[in-house]
Amino acid sequence: EDQVTQSPEALRLQEGESSSLNCSYTVSGLRGLFWYRQDPGKGPEFLFTLYSAGEEKEKERLKATLTKKESFLHITAPKPEDSATYLCAVQPILTGGGNKLTFGTGTQLKVEL
Amino acid sequence: DVKVTQSSRYLVKRTGEKVFLECVQDMDHENMFWYRQDPGLGLRLIYFSYDVKMKEKGDIPEGYSVSREKKERFSLILESASTNQTSMYLCASSLGPGLAGLAAYEQYFGPGTRLTVT
Repeated sequence: EDQVTQSPEALRLQEGESSSLNCSYTVSGLRGLFWYRQDPGKGPEFLFTLYSAGEEKEKERLKATLTKKESFLHITAPKPEDSATYLCAVQPILTGGGNKLTFGTGTQLKVEL
Repeated sequence: DVKVTQSSRYLVKRTGEKVFLECVQDMDHENMFWYRQDPGLGLRLIYFSYDVKMKEKGDIPEGYSVSREKKERFSLILESASTNQTSMYLCASSLGPGLAGLAAYEQYFGPGTRLTVT
C-alpha cells in the first residue's frame, strides 16, 4: 500500500528564518511526486511535480527536491504570506492505467513577523 | 490557467436528504476526481472518472455515487446524507495520459464545498 508521511505536522517560523518540510513516501514505483499549497478554507494549489531522484524545482522562495525515499520543500527567507498548509502526494506507476494520488496529511506552516 | 469550479462554497443539509455537488472544469481534461478532506485524515479519494460515463471507485465510495454525462462536468451525489458525511469536498481534474507526457498527471483543484449535515 502506498504511504506518504509528512513532518513536522506544524511549523512556526520567524520571518526570514529558513527551514525545510519533509515528505517520506513508500510506493511500489513512483511516477511522480507533487507538492501543493493550501490556504484555510480553499482548495489545494499546485506547486511542483518531481519525477526522478535528484530532480529539483524552484518557485520564488520555495525549492523542492527528491530522493528515492523522500522529498524536501525548502523555504528560504519566508514571509508571512507563505503561511499555509503544504501537502505532498505521490502517484504510483500502475499497470492498467489509473491516475490516483495518495496524499500526506500536510505540514501547517505559520510565518510570523 | 486551469479553472475548476464547484457549485457551492458552503452547504447545509439535513440527515436523509439527497445532496448534489457539481464540478466543472474548462480545460478539456480527461480525468476528474472527487475527494473529501477531514482534519487528521488528509485528502481521501471518493470516486474518479477517466472519460465521459466512465467512473471508478476510490478509497471511500460508500454512501456516494457520481455522474459524468459531459466531459467538463462531474457530479457527486450523496444518496441519503448522514452526519458523518460532514466534510470539505474537493473536486480536481487532470489532463490524462497523452501528448502532454508526465505533466498530464498533475491534478488541479476547485475551491471546495464545505458541507454540513445536521
